[in-house]
Amino acid sequence: NAGVTQTPKFRILKIGQSMTLQCAQDMNHNYMYWYRQDPGMGLKLIYYSVGAGITDKGEVPNGYNVSRSTTEDFPLRLELAAPSQTSVYFCASSPTTTGGRNQPQHFGDGTRLSIL
Amino acid sequence: DAKTTQPTSMDCAEGRAANLPCNHSTISGNEYVYWYRQIHSQGPQYIIHGLKNNETNEMASLIITEDRKSSTLILPHATLRDTAVYYCIVRVVLFSGGYNKLIFGAGTRLAVHP
Repeated sequence: NAGVTQTPKFRILKIGQSMTLQCAQDMNHNYMYWYRQDPGMGLKLIYYSVGAGITDKGEVPNGYNVSRSTTEDFPLRLELAAPSQTSVYFCASSPTTTGGRNQPQHFGDGTRLSIL
Repeated sequence: DAKTTQPTSMDCAEGRAANLPCNHSTISGNEYVYWYRQIHSQGPQYIIHGLKNNETNEMASLIITEDRKSSTLILPHATLRDTAVYYCIVRVVLFSGGYNKLIFGAGTRLAVHP
């Protein structure tokens, strides 16, 4: 069971560089999410998507961009890397809410990103 | 979304029950209580959720007080692999078309020792 797959697992960037964090899920989930987690803190939502072609901002979207061209993939792009973006990034997905009952989110194992 | 309060850390002996408390005194009638955990270096893992009745699954039990202002996650026979940070989250029920926004606090760091 692949679930949610994130690549790369680790990356070091220089200030000002750009990169794309990849996220793919094979569960046919409509909802996908990007979170960041700073040391000793809980997760904060960056962006989310409710389906292909539809994305929206979360709590901390500045400095990031997303796209959702397919149900399976939800890449996160950093255009101009800054030291404040050093963090662990988690991607998650969940099925469509049905019958008024929220569905749990399934998380990938994260990408550890350092900006130097 | 209601705010939750959890102890910063707890210890538990292997094989014993781990009881993790959570206060959510401002919870409203349509908010569920969710529990996730995060084992070191891994993504959060869903454990259980409930509205007002007690819930049980293969991983844990969730006990919600009658006034719904607090809850307890119970791991009946803790193992070393249960050492993790446990997050209690309350979330409004969303009907079809909504997304499942989760607000993570700092959680409780549970250490299971031999």
